[in-house]
Amino acid sequence: DQQVKQNSPSLSVQEGRISILNCDYTNSMFDYFLWYKKYPAEGPTFLISISSIKDKNEDGRFTVFLNKSAKHLSLHIVPSQPGDSAVYFCAARSMNRDDKIIFGKGTRLHILP
Amino acid sequence: EAQVTQNPRYLITVTGKKLTVTCSQNMNHEYMSWYRQDPGLGLRQIYYSMNVEVTDKGDVPEGYKVSRKEKRNFPLILESPSPNQTSLYFCASRLNPGLAGGGQYFGPGTRLTVT
Repeated sequence: DQQVKQNSPSLSVQEGRISILNCDYTNSMFDYFLWYKKYPAEGPTFLISISSIKDKNEDGRFTVFLNKSAKHLSLHIVPSQPGDSAVYFCAARSMNRDDKIIFGKGTRLHILP
Repeated sequence: EAQVTQNPRYLITVTGKKLTVTCSQNMNHEYMSWYRQDPGLGLRQIYYSMNVEVTDKGDVPEGYKVSRKEKRNFPLILESPSPNQTSLYFCASRLNPGLAGGGQYFGPGTRLTVT
């Protein structure tokens, strides 16, 4: 049972345009949602998070939107830069399960010159 | 520098030969965990530990063991590795109960091949 779903395995975006990465979840008990970025040969690094009581969190070029009624969140990157090419993992934390974080399968983002 | 270290980074071994992948963090984090990353499957949790001497199974614990005798170390043990354990392994740590945002640090990964 996949509780965190990233339905797009890959996404290509022109440099300078907006990148939108999507994530859906099924568990209403998730209280925090996170995005991680991963380059080849490196471990994932934390990018941005959002509490379930908010609908938007912004950090520089990165904004995460949360739609609880739709159980959907998205990561917006504006403007997209070559260094943004990476795999992005959506993740969710469940406080009632030992603070466990569950990851999606990831979306590979390609920024085109 | 705050970091999670893993050793070895690359390992090729044969079926049945016991191996240990070490993980160490220098941030005094209570919570540590092991993940494996496989194509098309994302990151799946193997085991986690909420503090010293406290460990629990994640989503895919079969064939693995862990121990948490000290706060900073969380080794992953494969008693009898099999080819289906060929994967990329990540150790991670964070405060417990941590703020979800920004609290989890990952090691650089260990690529294991079992022939």
